[in-house]
Parts: sequence; structure tokens; C-alpha cells
Amino acid sequence: LAKTTQPISMDSYEGQEVNITCSHNNIATNDYITWYQQFPSQGPRFIIQGYKTKVTNEVASLFIPADRKSSTLSLPRVSLSDTAVYYCLVGFFGGKLIFGQGTELSVKP
Amino acid sequence: DVKVTQSSRYLVKRTGEKVFLECVQDMDHENMFWYRQDPGLGLRLIYFSYDVKMKEKGDIPEGYSVSREKKERFSLILESASTNQTSMYLCASSLWVTGEGGNQPQHFGDGTRLSIL
Repeated sequence: LAKTTQPISMDSYEGQEVNITCSHNNIATNDYITWYQQFPSQGPRFIIQGYKTKVTNEVASLFIPADRKSSTLSLPRVSLSDTAVYYCLVGFFGGKLIFGQGTELSVKP
Repeated sequence: DVKVTQSSRYLVKRTGEKVFLECVQDMDHENMFWYRQDPGLGLRLIYFSYDVKMKEKGDIPEGYSVSREKKERFSLILESASTNQTSMYLCASSLWVTGEGGNQPQHFGDGTRLSIL
């Protein structure tokens, strides 16, 4: 399973766009890139998943370059309620995911 | 909406006790998982199951066992609790995935904060 590297923490202000980049140099051909969000005292919540190029949903966008060795989660116009830990996961499986330490995003007023 | 329910939010036990953590999901998912979460270490997979009576070891299975007698229920067992098992325990479930389409999202419960004294 591919190892991922992402920043430990990031700060932002309300209304800004936040981009969190994840590095996964040894991603395999069948691997998908998946992002989860976790609020304090709650389990992680699925945000978005992609294989290549760009994926967008009502919450976020995911940008994946052609070589797929990195990916960027983009959160448009963040609010205080987006303060959370964001996890990047890479793999394709019958069930097993590996969570790293995640990126702790702090949104300030 | 998928619901994953863990039997307790907080639990306090003593060293040497046998501890049972229960998890129930209501969406007929094939896969179920147990993770523990510790500060600075993120989530680590303990065990997972892809069918009734089937189980696979995760990254840190030592000191734990699991039971899946029914599809909707997955139990984590600490055979003889120790203080280093004090942690937040998270249960998750997902559909089985075959072929193209990527990973099925895992749906998590809100966790059991277990303290071993």
C-alpha cells in the first residue's frame, strides 16, 4: 500500500480557499486516492475520492496530476466549521485502508 | 443514511479484565473494521472482516481478537486488558468492492473512549 505524506497542520481564515497536498510517490496502477475529514470526538467522514484529473462534489475538489504521485484537496471558502483533521489515503482493496497522521486544519475568524 | 453504532462512548476497565467492544451497522455492509486512534499516531487498523465468521489481521492485532457471528455486528475483544490499550476505538463498515469504481467509503461510528486503570 502506498505511503502518503501530508502537512501536519495548516492555518487559514474564513472565506479563503484551502489546498492540502498529499504526496504518494509509490502509488500503484489500481490505487485510488481518498480523503476523509474528522471532527473532534467523531469518527472520520468520507469527503471525496478520485483516480485521475479532477473530481468535484458539493464539499470539495480533488486535483490529481497525470503522474498521480501527488494530489490536492481543495476546500472552497472555508468556514469555522471546516476546522478538522483531513486524511489522505491511497489504495485499492477489499477493505483495508491505511490512515496516516492527517493534516490538522485550523480556520480562524 | 448509514448508521454505525458503538455500544459505549466511554468505558473504564481494570488491567487484566476481558473487555468487549460492540459495533452494529444497519446497511447490510460486507466489510467491518476496528481501528484505534492515539495522539500523534493517527488511526491504526486492528482487525477487519469481509464476511460473517471471517477476519483478517490489521497492523496491530496483538492483544486483541474479534468476533463476527452476524453480518451486522462486529465485536472487538481485549483478552486481558492492559494500560497500553487505553485509547479511542473506532468501528467502521463498508460495502465490498469488486472491479472498477474505486473504494467504497468507510462509514465510522463515533468511537469508544476506553480507559484501562
